[in-house]
Amino acid sequence: DQQVKQNSPSLSVQEGRISILNCDYTNSMFDYFLWYKKYPAEGPTFLISISSIKDKNEDGRFTVFLNKSAKHLSLHIVPSQPGDSAVYFCAASEMDGANNLFFGTGTRLTVIP
Amino acid sequence: DAGVIQSPRHEVTEMGQEVTLRCKPISGHDYLFWYRQTMMRGLELLIYFNNNVPIDDSGMPEDRFSAKMPNASFSTLKIQPSEPRDSAVYFCASTTYGAGIFGSGTRLTVV
Repeated sequence: DQQVKQNSPSLSVQEGRISILNCDYTNSMFDYFLWYKKYPAEGPTFLISISSIKDKNEDGRFTVFLNKSAKHLSLHIVPSQPGDSAVYFCAASEMDGANNLFFGTGTRLTVIP
Repeated sequence: DAGVIQSPRHEVTEMGQEVTLRCKPISGHDYLFWYRQTMMRGLELLIYFNNNVPIDDSGMPEDRFSAKMPNASFSTLKIQPSEPRDSAVYFCASTTYGAGIFGSGTRLTVV
């Protein structure tokens, strides 16, 4: 059973607008969350992470929000750019550090110029 | 550093044949992960190593799959015999701490 779920397989956004990608998880033991971005024919690349002791982490145009009570996190991209078009994977683990990451199925973001 | 290097990039094989996927992690990284990506299940962890020792292989789907890490700079994932349902993209990733760095993957097609 998927412990990390991304229920929107795709999302289209106009350039300059906000992109919001959502992720839900079921395992209450998860306390470290990551977002990866993947371009075609490449491996996923790390984008941003958040620990469960925080509810927000920001890095430039990218902000991740964590709602532990709802077991939900989201990635906001503002403003969206055509180069952001990629598949975004949400991932979670039970601790920080190198260990088993549980990934969602990904959301394909298309930013329309 | 050239990053995590996987070979081959593409592999097409017939059902029943043995397939070996290879991975060279980033020098100095002591964790190595093998993932499989499918449309239905996204990225699934198959197995991971720490200091060349397998730590968790609970994601290996069945006995047809095996992985080895004979030294710090090389790992293999073997499927014997291969089946059409093994068709997927297989990724290797390495790290010392935190988010893993992924290779470009091997796209396996079993016909």
